[in-house]
Amino acid sequence: NAGVTQTPKFQVLKTGQSMTLQCAQDMNHEYMSWYRQDPGMGLRLIHYSVGAGITDQGEVPNGYNVSRSTTEDFPLRLLSAAPSQTSVYFCASSPDSTEAFFGQGTRLTVV
Amino acid sequence: EDKVVQSPLSLVVHEGDTVTLNCSYEVTNFRSLLWYKQEKKAPTFLFMLTSSGIEKKSGRLSSILDKKELFSILNITATQTGDSAIYLCAAANFGNEKLTFGTGTRLTIIP
Repeated sequence: NAGVTQTPKFQVLKTGQSMTLQCAQDMNHEYMSWYRQDPGMGLRLIHYSVGAGITDQGEVPNGYNVSRSTTEDFPLRLLSAAPSQTSVYFCASSPDSTEAFFGQGTRLTVV
Repeated sequence: EDKVVQSPLSLVVHEGDTVTLNCSYEVTNFRSLLWYKQEKKAPTFLFMLTSSGIEKKSGRLSSILDKKELFSILNITATQTGDSAIYLCAAANFGNEKLTFGTGTRLTIIP
């Protein structure tokens, strides 16, 4: 029962570096999304996808790109990391827009 | 702009006490209200509520939705130390297929 798998679990980046956070799900869910979680801010939606080839922006999309070439994978790209992007990132998938299943998170630090 | 507000932000009680967590929402085209429990890592799903006045129950946890007054409560009776967690509520709406999360209530149970 893999569910939603995120890699890496931890990452330290220097300001200006780029990287991709990986997310894969094996439940054949159409909906996938990326959130960031900061202290006192709850979960904020970065980008989401309602199916392969379809993505849209969430509440805090600036500095991030996504693509959805397959149903299973939904990578999140940081184009030029900034200290403000230090956060815990969660990927989620769901069979519809509700009852999301979350990955274990990636703790990202930008120095 | 869709908005979900949780109260209190934090709560400390003794084992055995009963607690009530609150969630109010302002969401266009409201579809459902979800509750999640977050311990050390990923949020895990507790309840999804779509109809007013119908209580959902799972062991010592129960939740109810009031669509007229736009709020939901999560009750936990006979609390245990394992209930210590952040409890998140989220609202889903029709149309844009997104979840809007509140900032969460951090619950601490003292033995």
